[in-house]
Amino acid sequence: GNSVTQMEGPVTLSEEAFLTINCTYTATGYPSLFWYVQYPGEGLQLLLKATKADDKGSNKGFEATYRKETTSFHLEKGSVQVSDSAVYFCALSDPTSGTYKYIFGTGTRLKVLA
Amino acid sequence: EPEVTQTPSHQVTQMGQEVILRCVPISNHLYFYWYRQILGQKVEFLVSFYNNEISEKSEIFDDQFSVERPDGSNFTLKIRSTKLEDSAMYFCASRGRNSGTGELFFGEGSRLTVL
Repeated sequence: GNSVTQMEGPVTLSEEAFLTINCTYTATGYPSLFWYVQYPGEGLQLLLKATKADDKGSNKGFEATYRKETTSFHLEKGSVQVSDSAVYFCALSDPTSGTYKYIFGTGTRLKVLA
Repeated sequence: EPEVTQTPSHQVTQMGQEVILRCVPISNHLYFYWYRQILGQKVEFLVSFYNNEISEKSEIFDDQFSVERPDGSNFTLKIRSTKLEDSAMYFCASRGRNSGTGELFFGEGSRLTVL
């Protein structure tokens, strides 16, 4: 079945460090891919998305490229800030589901130290 | 910007009680969803709803759960007899008809605590 695999957290970085959070997926067809962020005590916010191979989604300094050949959608940021501390979820929109339901990864907690 | 709103933001209930969580999706959206996130765990699909009926449900969505769109704006999730393990954050989401990307718009969530 379709699935999303994220790297285990927590990830602890110093401010201004480079961030990579790995995400790989298994899907039949051509899913859309998303990164969501959840700040402490808050809901899910869409961070970025990509709808087809080689698309790059970007927002707030974060980027992710839809790589069909490696079935990956890794999240990167060149210089993290303390305010980026949150849980990050990779998700795909299930193309085999007529309902377009999302399948989420387990989430990766990021902690940025000043 | 249109948004999905959920109420209550937090509800505490006794085991065995009925709970109704409410959602107001974005007004021109046609597809509706409930997801659940047990504290510190992954976000899990519960159910999707379209054209006044359930279009898909997960194994989690057993007979204790039901959904309804009682009027043109609200979308509710009812848990008939809550159990301790129903304690979680419940997210409502909606999608427009022409969302070719399948993007869902999520509410802020309703935290349910079952004692």
